[in-house]
Amino acid sequence: DADVTQTPRNRITKTGKRIMLECSQTKGHDRMYWYRQDPGLGLRLIYYSFDVKDINKGEISDGYSVSRQAQAKFSLSLESAIPNQTALYFCATSDPGRAGASGELFFGEGSRLTVL
Amino acid sequence: GQQLNQSPQSMFIQEGEDVSMNCTSSSIFNTWLWYKQDPGEGPVLLIALYKAGELTSNGRLTAQFGITRKDSFLNISASIPSDVGIYFCAGQVGFTGGGNKLTFGTGTQLKVEL
Repeated sequence: DADVTQTPRNRITKTGKRIMLECSQTKGHDRMYWYRQDPGLGLRLIYYSFDVKDINKGEISDGYSVSRQAQAKFSLSLESAIPNQTALYFCATSDPGRAGASGELFFGEGSRLTVL
Repeated sequence: GQQLNQSPQSMFIQEGEDVSMNCTSSSIFNTWLWYKQDPGEGPVLLIALYKAGELTSNGRLTAQFGITRKDSFLNISASIPSDVGIYFCAGQVGFTGGGNKLTFGTGTQLKVEL
């Protein structure tokens, strides 16, 4: 079983709909992230959280919100989806105490979202 | 924000060939990382580099941290079909920290012809 699990894996929705992408992890890591991947643009950080009470905006947070319900769960919401939010979304975790592996992220399998 | 440019954007090579790709930045980084994304999966860390000039290998993969600290290179020797995927470089200004301090490159898509 995957250590970082994302649901749904694929979703097609319409403009204006509210969408939630969920992420759960069994790695026991405190730090969790949401990234967006677009062809030719690489991975861009949307939001990140270092513990349950901590939420921080990333590079491209406009149009998105997040909730850290527990150490193991971090969800991403699009309150009113628009077509340019069509992308592949990744949840990731990291462990700051992991010596010699600074910068290592553990990614989920991705959630492909299409907004019509 | 900072930008990392990867080249080439995509490569189509024959099985058994060696592959080279690079990543350049307008800013200095103190940590360079290379990730691989298999089709339908999330990226996985291949190699991490922490010192300018450092050369590190992981099986058929070899990565180098450029002397100027503004670039990094990844080489794959004797490519095989499972090397297919997207390779991302990532740079980090500090020596510690989480994903919030990483800047990812634009990716190099590798396709291997049998």
